[in-house]
Amino acid sequence: SQTIHQWPATLVQPVGSPLSLECTVEGTSNPNLYWYRQAAGRGLQLLFYSVGIGQISSEVPQNLSASRPQDRQFILSSKKLLLSDSGFYLCAWNKGGIGNQPQHFGDGTRLSIL
Amino acid sequence: AQSVTQLGSHVSVSEGALVLLRCNYSSSVPPYLFWYVQYPNQGLQLLLKYTSAATLVKGINGFEAEFKKSETSFHLTKPSAHMSDAAEYFCAVSGSGSRLTFGEGTQLTVNP
Repeated sequence: SQTIHQWPATLVQPVGSPLSLECTVEGTSNPNLYWYRQAAGRGLQLLFYSVGIGQISSEVPQNLSASRPQDRQFILSSKKLLLSDSGFYLCAWNKGGIGNQPQHFGDGTRLSIL
Repeated sequence: AQSVTQLGSHVSVSEGALVLLRCNYSSSVPPYLFWYVQYPNQGLQLLLKYTSAATLVKGINGFEAEFKKSETSFHLTKPSAHMSDAAEYFCAVSGSGSRLTFGEGTQLTVNP
């Protein structure tokens, strides 16, 4: 069966520090991968999605970037964190191709910027 | 393009009462529809999905949803609420691609 792992679960970082959040998927190949951010009491904002290695689409211009160095690995990064980067970050995957495939989510990373 | 509107950001019910969470969608192509549940500090868990087979879809934890094309709705129901149902619920739609468009979510509170 397929599983998705996200780490770390919680992270406290100072303003201006770098960021690296990692997500990996097991048990499938060539998944679509997604990074979302969820602000407190808000819905999900799609940040990036990827349909293959090295293929990244950005939804919202911002202080973050994403990379997909391997088929089942998706990394969210920042060179210098801002206070506004605080939030709950979720990674998700689904099978590519058609729209009837649900997305499956990791457990999330709670990021607090001080 | 697709969009989702969840009516009511907060819904409160008594334990044992009917749960009804509303979702209306807009889609330029036949939609695929999903309901997810999120417990505090956790990811989203798939409750059920509509993929153009039966219009009444049964999911986990006793939830079901009915696709009504004429009303562009996909409301989530459960006959009898449990305390453990307290969570945030998200409706989502996709069209011909793999991306999902999520609603803003409905926080369900269950009162004893």
